[in-house]
Amino acid sequence: GAVVSQHPSRVICKSGTSVKIECRSLDFQATTMFWYRQFPKQSLMLMATSNEGSKATYEQGVEKDKFLINHASLTLSTLTVTSAHPEDSSFYICSAAGFPGLRSNQPQHFGDGTRLSIL
Amino acid sequence: GEDVEQSLFLSVREGDSSVINCTYTDSSSTYLYWYKQEPGAGLQLLTYIFSNMDMKQDQRLTVLLNKKDKHLSLRIADTQTGDSAIYFCAESIYNTDKLIFGTGTRLQVFP
Repeated sequence: GAVVSQHPSRVICKSGTSVKIECRSLDFQATTMFWYRQFPKQSLMLMATSNEGSKATYEQGVEKDKFLINHASLTLSTLTVTSAHPEDSSFYICSAAGFPGLRSNQPQHFGDGTRLSIL
Repeated sequence: GEDVEQSLFLSVREGDSSVINCTYTDSSSTYLYWYKQEPGAGLQLLTYIFSNMDMKQDQRLTVLLNKKDKHLSLRIADTQTGDSAIYFCAESIYNTDKLIFGTGTRLQVFP
């Protein structure tokens, strides 16, 4: 089945640090990638949708200057949490959908997530 | 807006069948999905069903869709301890690639 690789799996860093998380589709071209945030014992909250070669579309309430998303190729999207603070600590999960996307039966495949802890 | 609801917790004995239920509100959803999440991990796609289908079976998994009542269920036959996890249903938003996830059901399987 489709494989999505997410790195790193765990990050612990000091407040004020910027952290980059990578999401790669290993065996298919991902025209669309999604970034989610998950709080303990809660569901996934969509943060943004990124399409290759264009700017990401952020959900309401998500600060685009805080969470920088780059989707430079069909197999790689990155999320950078800039100047991270303790309240940014969370589990971040990416997913990828191949061409032509959900509307034509291409389900999202998920990475294993990144647990970010800001001290 | 879209809303997807699930019961929070289900406990079953090993070998029994598990039924996880989900209700959704967007009648224009094209596909409905079931994902499994183990502790500290991402989501694993289990199965999905097109909105014009009533049922889909894949080995131990059976998905039932009642479009009139906007009700989706996942039945796991012969439940094993390895099935213990959180199960999320999700609906696709019409004419987008986005998913709306349910609240998740924690399945606990005991011997």
